[in-house]
Amino acid sequence: DTAVSQTPKYLVTQMGNDKSIKCEQNLGHDTMYWYKQDSKKFLKIMFSYNNKELIINETVPNRFSPKSPDKAHLNLHINSLELGDSAVYFCASSQEFGGRRNYGYTFGSGTRLTVV
Amino acid sequence: GESVGLHLPTLSVQEGDNSIINCAYSNSASDYFIWYKQESGKGPQFIIDIRSNMDKRQGQRVTVLLNKTVKHLSLQIAATQPGDSAVYFCAESSGYALNFGKGTSLLVTP
Repeated sequence: DTAVSQTPKYLVTQMGNDKSIKCEQNLGHDTMYWYKQDSKKFLKIMFSYNNKELIINETVPNRFSPKSPDKAHLNLHINSLELGDSAVYFCASSQEFGGRRNYGYTFGSGTRLTVV
Repeated sequence: GESVGLHLPTLSVQEGDNSIINCAYSNSASDYFIWYKQESGKGPQFIIDIRSNMDKRQGQRVTVLLNKTVKHLSLQIAATQPGDSAVYFCAESSGYALNFGKGTSLLVTP
């Protein structure tokens, strides 16, 4: 069973479109995250959700909106996609906020978003 | 702001040799550190962690060393194998988030 699963794995779309990436974890973790990985492999936190509440929003444009219907899901919706949004987006979860116990974060396999 | 960085962006080693990947951090409040391995097309995977009350921790073929005095972290991989080829990240936590370094690409040659 996949611990953290995200779909789709690849997403190619035109500028200006709206798209969503879904994420689900079956680990019973309390906190979920979205990270963006750029072409230089740098991982930057975008959002954290703890018990359905947004905890961190790290200067992410408001075109990006996380939505968490329940503790096991954290979806990422992106409006008016721009070329600079092209990246790999990773969902992750942790047992507690900040990932300071039990192996830190568990990551999904990533969604490669290409905006053309 | 606070940052986590790596000394070398790429490292090439021969199969069977030992590898050392280094990481410097600047947040003196950091008290939990993790090394992650990311293979091509996959998400980062936990390798080993260490808390600030320790200076060394060993796993299977991997050892993490922490020097709080100079804010330096290293990952040692013994008898490096082709399957160890990947990008390695250090990450640090001071409470509310894991902050990742820029990654070192490890290439194992036969």
